[in-house]
Amino acid sequence: QKEVEQNSGPLSVPEGAIASLNCTYSDRVSQSFFWYRQYSGKSPELIMSIYSNGDKEDGRFTAQLNKASQYVSLLIRDSQPSDSATYLCAVYSGGGADGLTFGKGTHLIIQP
Amino acid sequence: SAVISQKPSRDICQRGTSLTIQCQVDSQVTMMFWYRQQPGQSLTLIATANQGSEATYESGFVIDKFPISRPNLTFSTLTVSNMSPEDSSIYLCSVEDLGGQSSYNEQFFGPGTRLTVL
Repeated sequence: QKEVEQNSGPLSVPEGAIASLNCTYSDRVSQSFFWYRQYSGKSPELIMSIYSNGDKEDGRFTAQLNKASQYVSLLIRDSQPSDSATYLCAVYSGGGADGLTFGKGTHLIIQP
Repeated sequence: SAVISQKPSRDICQRGTSLTIQCQVDSQVTMMFWYRQQPGQSLTLIATANQGSEATYESGFVIDKFPISRPNLTFSTLTVSNMSPEDSSIYLCSVEDLGGQSSYNEQFFGPGTRLTVL
Protein backbone atom coordinates (compact mmCIF):
# COMPACT_ATOMS: atom_id res chain seq x y z
CA GLN A 1 0.00 0.00 0.00
CA LYS A 2 1.49 3.27 -1.13
CA GLU A 3 1.15 5.99 1.50
CA VAL A 4 2.01 9.66 1.56
CA GLU A 5 1.87 11.38 4.93
CA GLN A 6 1.54 15.07 5.67
CA ASN A 7 0.72 17.05 8.77
CA SER A 8 -2.78 18.39 8.14
CA GLY A 9 -2.15 21.62 10.05
CA PRO A 10 -3.25 24.29 10.05
CA LEU A 11 0.26 25.69 9.87
CA SER A 12 0.24 29.38 10.70
CA VAL A 13 3.17 31.52 9.52
CA PRO A 14 3.64 35.29 9.75
CA GLU A 15 3.82 37.23 6.52
CA GLY A 16 7.39 37.51 5.26
CA ALA A 17 8.60 34.41 7.12
CA ILE A 18 9.59 31.03 5.70
CA ALA A 19 6.88 28.36 5.58
CA SER A 20 8.16 24.80 5.80
CA LEU A 21 5.95 21.92 4.66
CA ASN A 22 6.91 18.29 5.06
CA CYS A 23 5.93 14.97 3.52
CA THR A 24 7.01 11.36 3.94
CA TYR A 25 6.25 8.45 1.62
CA SER A 26 6.25 4.71 2.07
CA ASP A 27 7.20 3.27 -1.34
CA ARG A 28 10.99 3.13 -1.71
CA VAL A 29 10.78 2.80 -5.49
CA SER A 30 9.02 6.15 -5.85
CA GLN A 31 10.53 8.09 -8.71
CA SER A 32 8.93 11.51 -8.96
CA PHE A 33 7.69 13.95 -6.35
CA PHE A 34 5.37 16.91 -6.66
CA TRP A 35 3.88 19.75 -4.67
CA TYR A 36 0.46 21.07 -5.60
CA ARG A 37 -1.30 24.12 -4.22
CA GLN A 38 -5.07 23.99 -3.85
CA TYR A 39 -7.18 27.00 -3.02
CA SER A 40 -10.61 26.37 -1.51
CA GLY A 41 -13.08 25.37 -4.21
CA LYS A 42 -10.39 25.10 -6.88
CA SER A 43 -8.50 22.23 -8.46
CA PRO A 44 -4.86 21.48 -7.58
CA GLU A 45 -2.16 23.55 -9.29
CA LEU A 46 1.31 22.11 -9.79
CA ILE A 47 3.97 24.35 -8.24
CA MET A 48 7.07 22.15 -7.94
CA SER A 49 8.40 18.83 -9.16
CA ILE A 50 11.60 17.14 -8.02
CA TYR A 51 13.24 13.90 -9.12
CA SER A 52 16.77 13.78 -7.59
CA ASN A 53 18.12 14.10 -4.09
CA GLY A 54 18.89 17.64 -3.02
CA ASP A 55 17.27 21.02 -3.47
CA LYS A 56 15.41 22.54 -6.39
CA GLU A 57 14.59 26.23 -6.35
CA ASP A 58 11.99 28.11 -8.36
CA GLY A 59 11.40 31.69 -7.32
CA ARG A 60 10.24 31.77 -3.70
CA PHE A 61 9.76 27.99 -3.64
CA THR A 62 12.39 25.37 -2.80
CA ALA A 63 11.68 21.66 -2.91
CA GLN A 64 13.97 19.29 -1.03
CA LEU A 65 14.20 15.54 -1.57
CA ASN A 66 15.93 12.89 0.53
CA LYS A 67 15.23 9.44 -0.91
CA ALA A 68 17.17 7.63 1.81
CA SER A 69 14.88 9.11 4.45
CA GLN A 70 11.83 8.98 2.10
CA TYR A 71 11.21 12.63 2.81
CA VAL A 72 10.16 15.58 0.68
CA SER A 73 9.75 19.16 1.80
CA LEU A 74 8.66 22.50 0.41
CA LEU A 75 9.97 25.83 1.62
CA ILE A 76 8.17 29.04 0.79
CA ARG A 77 10.28 32.14 1.37
CA ASP A 78 8.89 35.62 2.00
CA SER A 79 5.42 34.14 2.60
CA GLN A 80 2.51 36.19 1.32
CA PRO A 81 -1.17 36.07 2.32
CA SER A 82 -1.87 34.77 -1.19
CA ASP A 83 0.16 31.67 -0.28
CA SER A 84 -2.60 30.67 2.15
CA ALA A 85 -3.92 27.40 0.71
CA THR A 86 -3.74 23.64 1.13
CA TYR A 87 -0.48 22.14 -0.13
CA LEU A 88 -0.65 18.59 -1.42
CA CYS A 89 2.37 16.33 -1.67
CA ALA A 90 2.12 13.77 -4.48
CA VAL A 91 4.33 10.84 -5.42
CA TYR A 92 4.66 8.76 -8.56
CA SER A 93 5.69 5.16 -7.98
CA GLY A 94 4.44 3.42 -11.12
CA GLY A 95 2.37 0.27 -11.22
CA GLY A 96 -1.38 -0.12 -10.79
CA ALA A 97 -3.25 2.58 -12.62
CA ASP A 98 0.05 4.46 -12.93
CA GLY A 99 -1.14 7.73 -11.43
CA LEU A 100 -0.10 9.84 -8.47
CA THR A 101 -0.57 9.06 -4.78
CA PHE A 102 -1.49 12.15 -2.79
CA GLY A 103 -1.09 13.07 0.84
CA LYS A 104 -4.01 14.61 2.67
CA GLY A 105 -2.51 18.06 2.43
CA THR A 106 -1.27 20.72 4.82
CA HIS A 107 -3.46 23.77 5.34
CA LEU A 108 -1.17 26.81 5.39
CA ILE A 109 -2.28 30.16 6.77
CA ILE A 110 -0.12 33.24 6.24
CA GLN A 111 -0.94 35.85 8.86
CA PRO A 112 -0.67 39.49 7.67
CA SER B 1 0.76 23.08 -20.44
CA ALA B 2 -2.49 21.78 -21.92
CA VAL B 3 -5.81 23.55 -21.29
CA ILE B 4 -8.32 21.17 -19.77
CA SER B 5 -12.08 21.65 -19.50
CA GLN B 6 -14.72 19.55 -17.79
CA LYS B 7 -18.47 19.37 -18.14
CA PRO B 8 -20.61 19.71 -16.15
CA SER B 9 -18.92 21.90 -13.56
CA ARG B 10 -21.43 20.75 -10.96
CA ASP B 11 -24.58 18.70 -10.70
CA ILE B 12 -27.10 17.51 -8.16
CA CYS B 13 -28.42 14.02 -8.85
CA GLN B 14 -30.84 11.56 -7.35
CA ARG B 15 -29.62 8.27 -5.93
CA GLY B 16 -29.79 5.37 -8.34
CA THR B 17 -29.14 7.51 -11.40
CA SER B 18 -25.93 7.86 -13.43
CA LEU B 19 -23.92 10.89 -14.49
CA THR B 20 -21.36 11.14 -17.28
CA ILE B 21 -18.56 13.68 -16.88
CA GLN B 22 -16.64 14.89 -19.89
CA CYS B 23 -13.01 15.96 -20.04
CA GLN B 24 -11.67 17.82 -23.08
CA VAL B 25 -8.04 18.79 -23.69
CA ASP B 26 -6.92 21.36 -26.24
CA SER B 27 -4.03 19.22 -27.46
CA GLN B 28 -3.29 15.55 -27.87
CA VAL B 29 -2.00 13.90 -24.71
CA THR B 30 -0.96 10.34 -24.12
CA MET B 31 -2.01 9.91 -20.52
CA MET B 32 -5.33 10.95 -18.99
CA PHE B 33 -6.46 10.13 -15.48
CA TRP B 34 -9.55 10.40 -13.32
CA TYR B 35 -9.40 11.26 -9.61
CA ARG B 36 -11.94 11.72 -6.86
CA GLN B 37 -11.72 14.20 -4.00
CA GLN B 38 -14.26 13.52 -1.29
CA PRO B 39 -15.29 16.36 1.02
CA GLY B 40 -12.37 17.46 3.19
CA GLN B 41 -10.13 14.76 1.76
CA SER B 42 -7.25 14.53 -0.64
CA LEU B 43 -7.25 13.14 -4.15
CA THR B 44 -7.66 9.44 -4.87
CA LEU B 45 -6.85 7.96 -8.27
CA ILE B 46 -9.78 6.15 -9.86
CA ALA B 47 -8.24 5.00 -13.14
CA THR B 48 -6.06 5.73 -16.12
CA ALA B 49 -8.07 6.34 -19.28
CA ASN B 50 -6.34 4.44 -22.08
CA GLN B 51 -6.93 5.43 -25.67
CA GLY B 52 -8.25 2.52 -27.68
CA SER B 53 -8.37 0.05 -24.80
CA GLU B 54 -10.04 -0.54 -21.46
CA ALA B 55 -9.20 1.78 -18.59
CA THR B 56 -6.80 0.64 -15.87
CA TYR B 57 -8.48 0.89 -12.49
CA GLU B 58 -6.87 1.49 -9.15
CA SER B 59 -7.59 -1.00 -6.39
CA GLY B 60 -11.04 -0.38 -4.94
CA PHE B 61 -12.59 0.97 -8.14
CA VAL B 62 -14.41 -1.15 -10.71
CA ILE B 63 -15.54 -0.70 -14.28
CA ASP B 64 -19.20 -1.41 -13.54
CA LYS B 65 -19.35 1.53 -11.12
CA PHE B 66 -17.03 3.92 -13.00
CA PRO B 67 -17.03 3.12 -16.72
CA ILE B 68 -14.53 5.23 -18.65
CA SER B 69 -14.22 5.98 -22.33
CA ARG B 70 -11.24 7.42 -24.21
CA PRO B 71 -12.15 7.57 -27.89
CA ASN B 72 -9.19 9.77 -28.90
CA LEU B 73 -6.16 11.60 -27.52
CA THR B 74 -8.08 14.74 -26.50
CA PHE B 75 -11.26 13.47 -24.86
CA SER B 76 -12.42 11.16 -22.09
CA THR B 77 -15.59 10.50 -20.12
CA LEU B 78 -16.17 9.10 -16.65
CA THR B 79 -19.58 7.76 -15.71
CA VAL B 80 -20.61 7.45 -12.09
CA SER B 81 -23.23 4.69 -12.12
CA ASN B 82 -26.08 3.85 -9.78
CA MET B 83 -25.14 6.74 -7.56
CA SER B 84 -25.49 6.89 -3.79
CA PRO B 85 -24.85 9.81 -1.41
CA GLU B 86 -21.37 8.34 -0.76
CA ASP B 87 -20.49 9.24 -4.36
CA SER B 88 -20.84 12.93 -3.54
CA SER B 89 -17.42 14.24 -4.40
CA ILE B 90 -15.38 16.36 -6.75
CA TYR B 91 -14.29 14.40 -9.81
CA LEU B 92 -11.17 15.64 -11.58
CA CYS B 93 -9.50 14.65 -14.78
CA SER B 94 -5.81 15.20 -15.26
CA VAL B 95 -3.34 14.85 -18.10
CA GLU B 96 0.31 14.00 -18.18
CA ASP B 97 1.62 16.52 -20.63
CA LEU B 98 4.67 14.97 -22.20
CA GLY B 99 5.03 17.71 -24.73
CA GLY B 100 5.83 21.34 -24.28
CA GLN B 101 7.89 22.30 -21.28
CA SER B 102 6.56 19.80 -18.75
CA SER B 103 8.72 17.22 -17.04
CA TYR B 104 8.29 13.52 -16.52
CA ASN B 105 5.09 12.35 -14.74
CA GLU B 106 3.86 15.91 -14.17
CA GLN B 107 0.08 16.01 -14.15
CA PHE B 108 -2.19 18.97 -14.73
CA PHE B 109 -5.75 19.04 -13.51
CA GLY B 110 -9.01 20.17 -14.99
CA PRO B 111 -11.34 22.43 -13.00
CA GLY B 112 -13.31 19.50 -11.57
CA THR B 113 -16.95 18.45 -11.44
CA ARG B 114 -18.70 18.87 -8.10
CA LEU B 115 -21.27 16.11 -7.71
CA THR B 116 -23.93 16.00 -5.00
CA VAL B 117 -26.09 12.90 -4.71
CA LEU B 118 -29.34 13.21 -2.75
